[in-house]
Parts: sequence; C-alpha cells; structure tokens
Amino acid sequence: DQQVKQNSPSLSVQEGRISILNCDYTNSMFDYFLWYKKYPAEGPTFLISISSIKDKNEDGRFTVFLNKSAKHLSLHIVPSQPGDSAVYFCAASNAGNTPLVFGKGTRLSVIA
Amino acid sequence: EAGVTQFPSHSVIEKGQTVTLRCDPISGHDNLYWYRRVMGKEIKFLLHFVKESKQDESGMPNNRFLAERTGGTYSTLKVQPAELEDSGVYFCASRQGGKFGYTFGSGTRLTVV
Repeated sequence: DQQVKQNSPSLSVQEGRISILNCDYTNSMFDYFLWYKKYPAEGPTFLISISSIKDKNEDGRFTVFLNKSAKHLSLHIVPSQPGDSAVYFCAASNAGNTPLVFGKGTRLSVIA
Repeated sequence: EAGVTQFPSHSVIEKGQTVTLRCDPISGHDNLYWYRRVMGKEIKFLLHFVKESKQDESGMPNNRFLAERTGGTYSTLKVQPAELEDSGVYFCASRQGGKFGYTFGSGTRLTVV
C-alpha cells in the first residue's frame, strides 16, 4: 500500500513555462515533506522541503505548496529550464526520525 | 567534503550467486540508510543504521539480505543467493544526527540474470 503517490509518471513543459508536479499522501502522521531531483546514473539530490506547520515554502524558482486537509503537495518550478529535466521524487516522514517514504517519481522534460 | 560513495556502480550476476554492495557514508554521519528502486517503482526503504546498530530493518525483503555496519563507518549489503527479483538500483544515504537532510550516493545497479 503506497503511502506517497505521484500519479503522473511524466510531464512535458516548454522552456520558460511553469512546471507543476503533484504528490498525494495517505498517512496523516507525516509532518515533513521533501522533493528530490534525480538525474540518470546519479543519486537523488535534495531540492526543497516543507514542514506541516507551513503551507508554502519558496526557494528561488522552486516553490512547494502543502494542503494538509487534502493530503496533497505540489512543486512549482517557474520558469522551467532545460536543466530541470530529471525525475522528481516526493518524500515524506513522520517526526523527522523515521525513514523517508518516497513516491514513484515524475519524469519532467523541459523542451527548449 | 566527500559525498556518499557506493561501489560497485554496476554488478551483473547470475541467479544463485552472492553479491556484496558497499557504502561509505559522509564522515561523521551516524545515520545510514539503504534504499532500493526497482525499475519504475518507488525508492523503497530497506534499513536504517545508527552507528553500528540496526535501528529499523522493517524494509528488508527476506533473509537473503544481510546488512552490516561494523565499527559504525562503512556498510555492506549482501544478497545471498540472489534472485531475479533482486534486480534494481540500491541507494545508500547518510544523515548527520539532529539534522534532517539525507545525502544519497549514486547507487549500485544490480542485475540478476
């Protein structure tokens, strides 16, 4: 039973436009959420995170939104750049000390 | 600072053989995690070490998998005997105590034929 779901396996966006990646979770005990970015033949690298006490966190072109009532979070990238093309994983944790639970990932392709 | 190092980067073995994967975490990181990603699936938790102790091994698939972290430094994950369904990319990550960020290695791609 997947606790973190990324229902879109892939997404294509034109350069300069907004990319929106979505993630849903089922475990209401999760209180910390992260997005990781993964290039081929590399490990996932941390991108941005959000605590459950917030509903938005912004870092440059990347913004994560959290809707706790809907158990939904999203990652917005604006403007999208070709270098953003990668697989993006949503991850969640309970109390920060439990292992991260990951989704299946969404492959983002930014087309020039 | 050196990152998390994993080797080998690739391993192709026959069903029934044994393979040992190694992970060198960032120096000083007490927490070490093993994860696995089967093609197209989620990155799935296998186990968590705090120093040399197994904190959580609830994700280990079965007793063909054995993880060790002697001395609380590097860790090994042995698969014996390997089965076809063990194929995937095995990631190691480390984390400093009291902080949240995981740093992942590049992974070992294991193919069992």
